[in-house]
Amino acid sequence: DGGITQSPKYLFRKEGQNVTLSCEQNLNHDAMYWYRQDPGQGLRLIYYSQIVNDFQKGDIAEGYSVSREKKESFPLTVTSAQKNPTAFYLCASSIWGSNQPQHFGDGTRLSIL
Amino acid sequence: AQKITQTQPGMFVQEKEAVTLDCTYDTSDPSYGLFWYKQPSSGEMIFLIYQGSYDQQNATEGRYSLNFQKARKSANLVISASQLGDSAMYFCAILQTSYDKVIFGPGTSLSVIP
Repeated sequence: DGGITQSPKYLFRKEGQNVTLSCEQNLNHDAMYWYRQDPGQGLRLIYYSQIVNDFQKGDIAEGYSVSREKKESFPLTVTSAQKNPTAFYLCASSIWGSNQPQHFGDGTRLSIL
Repeated sequence: AQKITQTQPGMFVQEKEAVTLDCTYDTSDPSYGLFWYKQPSSGEMIFLIYQGSYDQQNATEGRYSLNFQKARKSANLVISASQLGDSAMYFCAILQTSYDKVIFGPGTSLSVIP
């Protein structure tokens, strides 16, 4: 079945440590997105990518980095510069340039030790 | 700038009754799309229904329908015959074609009472 796989489901970060969240899709979608969700709030866009080897900052990119070396993969690194990383992170993909809905992974919950 | 407003932070509905979740939006782009997603307590985002700005008819998908009032910039979700499994957070979102980004509203928490 086609879909988006995020791993791990739960992740713990120590102070000063970088951690990487994985996002893989087999839907053959061009566009991929990373969102952050804080408790009781909506989704905020961190980064998005329209094509391989290209990506753009979203509304809250500071303290995060991404890469898009393959169409299927869009990993997110939460760097030590992100001072408040505890949140729920959702990855999504869609057909670029259309009004098709985004498909989401099951999310990764990141906490600080 | 585009913006989504959902004024109902929490809603309760009796099982088998209908419920309307409000969504208003602000955009200057003539071409856009509106989406509704459901997020159960487990966290995954489930796509429910889509309405294009040029669609003449209101969208329907099973028990979900969208009351689209373009002049009022309103896109309310109507859930008919509520079920216990409908208890979740519901998010309205807008995609402006010219910006290629989706903006989500703050969400409405729906609780279905037996």
